[in-house]
Amino acid sequence: DAKTTQPNSMESNEEEPVHLPCNHSTISGTDYIHWYRQLPSQGPEYVIHGLTSNVNNRMASLAIAEDRKSSTLILHRATLRDAAVYYCILRDVVISGTYKYIFGTGTRLKVLA
Amino acid sequence: DTEVTQTPKHLVMGMTNKKSLKCEQHMGHRAMYWYKQKAKKPPELMFVYSYEKLSINESVPSRFSPECPNSSLLNLHLHALQPEDSALYLCASSQDKGLNTEAFFGQGTRLTVV
Repeated sequence: DAKTTQPNSMESNEEEPVHLPCNHSTISGTDYIHWYRQLPSQGPEYVIHGLTSNVNNRMASLAIAEDRKSSTLILHRATLRDAAVYYCILRDVVISGTYKYIFGTGTRLKVLA
Repeated sequence: DTEVTQTPKHLVMGMTNKKSLKCEQHMGHRAMYWYKQKAKKPPELMFVYSYEKLSINESVPSRFSPECPNSSLLNLHLHALQPEDSALYLCASSQDKGLNTEAFFGQGTRLTVV
């Protein structure tokens, strides 16, 4: 399984952009890059995913390096409700065609009022 | 309905007990997952079911026994657990094919083994 590496923690001021990095140097050509976040006492929640091109949705943007060995989740204006652990995941496809979602260590984001 | 529902939310069991965790989804997803999460650690994959068949077992001890009775339900049967098995158990589901295969997670069952 390809692995991801993330900083343990980051801080941001409210209303400011946040860039959460992820390294995945052993990514394979078929691995999709997914981001999930986990708020306290809740299950993980999908944020965004992509393969090669940068992606935007209502929650965030995902910037993927040209060589796909790293990616950055961008929260455009952090709010207190964005305080969570953010996980960068490589969605792996196994021989049977089933997907595996393997979590990295995650980044704990603290948002300061 | 984009929910994955897990019951019970909390469970305390003795080491000689037999109990089951339940997970249900009605999104038509054909892949379902069990994860184990210890405090301040990321979720660890345990089992994957695809079209009601066990597709992946990540070398999980036999005291954990998964079951997928139909495409909407996933159970995890527990027997003779150890205190170190205390954790948050998360269920997830996703479409098995296609590009938009985000996973949906339940809120988890917090298990305490005494």
